Amino acid sequence: DGGITQSPKYLFRKEGQNVTLSCEQNLNHDAMYWYRQDPGQGLRLIYYSQIVNDFQKGDIAEGYSVSREKKESFPLTVTSAQKNPTAFYLCATLRTGNYGYTFGSGTRLTVV
Amino acid sequence: KNEVEQSPQNLTAQEGEFITINCSYSVGISALHWLQQHPGGGIVSLFMLSSGKKKHGRLIATINIQEKHSSLHITASHPRDSAVYICAVMEYGNKLVFGAGTILRVKS
Repeated sequence: DGGITQSPKYLFRKEGQNVTLSCEQNLNHDAMYWYRQDPGQGLRLIYYSQIVNDFQKGDIAEGYSVSREKKESFPLTVTSAQKNPTAFYLCATLRTGNYGYTFGSGTRLTVV
Repeated sequence: KNEVEQSPQNLTAQEGEFITINCSYSVGISALHWLQQHPGGGIVSLFMLSSGKKKHGRLIATINIQEKHSSLHITASHPRDSAVYICAVMEYGNKLVFGAGTILRVKS
């Protein structure tokens, strides 16, 4: 079955370290998205990519970086510049046309 | 004012009760998603709808485009339905805007 794989489900890192979250899809969807969730708030857009080798900042891109070297993969790096990295991170894809989004199961990052 | 408002924010129900969660939005949309998030965080997509009504098991989702409102209903609720339910609207241009979620607890 096609889908989105986010790994790991839980991730712990020490403060000051960069960490990369994985998002892989085998749906052949063009667009991929990263969202962040904080307690009591709606998910907010970090970065998105509509085609390979191209990506745009979302609403809260500071302290994050991404790459889109191949269609299947859209890794998100949480850098040491991100002041409050502890959060739930969700990857999603969008198929062109009115097909709606497909969502990964998410990664919960805790920085100690 | 947030573009997507969910109500209630918190809901406690007794097992077997009929549950309704509401979502109102202020912008034109092409579709709306209902998502379920269990403790521990994993997200599951329940429905995507752009008109009318969809049903899956004990879950029913409705949308009224003219009134900019959607509801998620759970019939014969069970403790395993305890989760956060999130409404997300797809604006024209495919931007997705999320509600803050409704925390549901079903007691046995």
